[in-house]
Amino acid sequence: EDQVTQSPEALRLQEGESSSLNCSYTVSGLRGLFWYRQDPGKGPEFLFTLYSAGEEKEKERLKATLTKKESFLHITAPKPEDSATYLCAVPPFGNEKLTFGTGTRLTIIP
Amino acid sequence: DAGVIQSPRHEVTEMGQEVTLRCKPISGHNSLFWYRQTMMRGLELLIYFNNNVPIDDSGMPEDRFSAKMPNASFSTLKIQPSEPRDSAVYFCASSARGSGANVLTFGAGSRLTVL
Repeated sequence: EDQVTQSPEALRLQEGESSSLNCSYTVSGLRGLFWYRQDPGKGPEFLFTLYSAGEEKEKERLKATLTKKESFLHITAPKPEDSATYLCAVPPFGNEKLTFGTGTRLTIIP
Repeated sequence: DAGVIQSPRHEVTEMGQEVTLRCKPISGHNSLFWYRQTMMRGLELLIYFNNNVPIDDSGMPEDRFSAKMPNASFSTLKIQPSEPRDSAVYFCASSARGSGANVLTFGAGSRLTVL
């Protein structure tokens, strides 16, 4: 069964303190790993798609990387506005839907 | 574009009542997804449509849940009768097949509370 596991569940950082979020996956024939950001009271918002091991993508203070078993979302010198829940997701083989992890709730303290 | 539009944003109802949630996808998107989000289980897919046709409804909890997509610009998710355990945030999302497939655009959600 396809699974997506995210860690930690919650992370509190001081402003400027860099760290990484983890997404481990088991899926038959990976066809992309997706990162979303969700703010309180809103729907998830697309950030990145990674397709192959070794691929990296960046957006402002965020960088996503992918290996054959996991993905990392690195956040460099975060600001309070980076506080959100970060979700990763994979499409099961032969399917268009996305299976989501339970997310990491990130809080950046000024 | 106004994005994916969901209504109502909040619904409070009593156990046993019928609940209807509505969704207008982004114009030109031909896949539509209904997800449910709870603290315990996170985001779970309930059902999705391609070109208005239901493709996978394996996530629909039971017969009390039903979803329709009568045309490309409108979908409903109905719960009848509702139960307290149905309390959750229900999200609708849409995507365009063949162009960034699986890049879902979500609506703001409908928060359902069943008393």
